[in-house]
Amino acid sequence: EIVLTQSPATLSLSPGERATLSCRASQSVGSYLAWYQQKPGQAPRLLIYDASNRASDIPPRFSGSGSGTDFTLTITSLEPEDFAIYYCQQRYSRPPLTFGGGTKVEIK
Amino acid sequence: QVQLVESGGGVVQPGRSLRLSCAASGFTINTYGMHWVRQAPGKGLEWVTFISFDGNNKYFADSVKGRFTISRDNFKNTLYLQMNSLRLEDTAVYYCARDYLGSSWTFGYWGQGTLVTISS
Repeated sequence: EIVLTQSPATLSLSPGERATLSCRASQSVGSYLAWYQQKPGQAPRLLIYDASNRASDIPPRFSGSGSGTDFTLTITSLEPEDFAIYYCQQRYSRPPLTFGGGTKVEIK
Repeated sequence: QVQLVESGGGVVQPGRSLRLSCAASGFTINTYGMHWVRQAPGKGLEWVTFISFDGNNKYFADSVKGRFTISRDNFKNTLYLQMNSLRLEDTAVYYCARDYLGSSWTFGYWGQGTLVTISS
């Protein structure tokens, strides 16, 4: 089973700042990594698939990069609605699909 | 537009059974892989099970293998999760999710979730 480790666990930033979230895999997942955003009481929402492709209707301030074992989700300028928990997920080796433990982006 | 609506959650005792449903609209479920994903209270996401678009392939997380089954009714355009021998650790919000077009095993669409609580 591929383990995904996300860092930091919590990111405290102000609106307008840049957010950089990391996801590291225990072995290579190629480019088969996705990012999701989850707000309290809501289902997750797909942001990025296959490492760097924005899903439908996702604003361009969200971008993904990386391959192999190291991946980054960048939010260039945080909007108030971006404060949430972000999860990475790999589909390279399945089953099982695995998720990272999440990074909470909170208002500083 | 694509919509997934789960139902069937509730409070059940350990060892009992429960069946969840996921009604789909805006697409036909026999053209996409479908999944169940769960989230224990205050915890992260855990993939539970998958059924392929043609129903020929089904996969399960080790934590539910032998206890849960996944199925669908193409006429009703509905996905099911039959959960047997429920345990305390099965307490979670259960989401159904659809593969994203062009990226199988990526969760492109999610339902709102249904809460399952296992308690004596």
